[in-house]
Amino acid sequence: DQQVKQNSPSLSVQEGRISILNCDYTNSMFDYFLWYKKYPAEGPTFLISISSIKDKNEDGRFTVFLNKSAKHLSLHIVPSQPGDSAVYFCAASGASGGSYIPTFGRGTSLIVHP
Amino acid sequence: EPEVTQTPSHQVTQMGQEVILRCVPISNHLYFYWYRQILGQKVEFLVSFYNNEISEKSEIFDDQFSVERPDGSNFTLKIRSTKLEDSAMYFCASSELGRNNQPQHFGDGTRLSIL
Repeated sequence: DQQVKQNSPSLSVQEGRISILNCDYTNSMFDYFLWYKKYPAEGPTFLISISSIKDKNEDGRFTVFLNKSAKHLSLHIVPSQPGDSAVYFCAASGASGGSYIPTFGRGTSLIVHP
Repeated sequence: EPEVTQTPSHQVTQMGQEVILRCVPISNHLYFYWYRQILGQKVEFLVSFYNNEISEKSEIFDDQFSVERPDGSNFTLKIRSTKLEDSAMYFCASSELGRNNQPQHFGDGTRLSIL
């Protein structure tokens, strides 16, 4: 069962442009969403999160948007830099009646070309 | 910045053998976790540990798996009789508290190869 889906396995973007990574979820009990970044040979690193009471959270070049009615969230990176090239994992958890343990998507590999 | 450390980085083991993966969580963190990622697949939760006992586990975490905090710093995952399908990256993580708004900090993983 894929409760968290990242349908694009890869994304290629030119340096300076916007990167948009998408994530869909099916479990309506999820109320907290996170993005992790993973470089090769390293563990996932927390990037940004959003609670279901918000529809947008911004941290520098990274913004996460949440559309609860569509059960969809996206991560925007503006402007994209070559150092952003990594695998990005979307994760979701739900304390209300669920579990705070995040469920991960399969990841999207972002390549930012100089 | 404090980090989660895992040893070894790569473990090669014969099928049927026992293996112990080691982790040192961040020192002031209270919650510890093990995840695995089979090649090309998603990161899967195995188990969480708090106050010297398992707080939550997935259906993957069956009787061949066990966790232990043998001293004040180490957190170990033991696989009793390894199978070929246990080959994966195993990530340890820790968090200060076990709440939604406490993101987990991951180690760099141990690549387990079962022959």
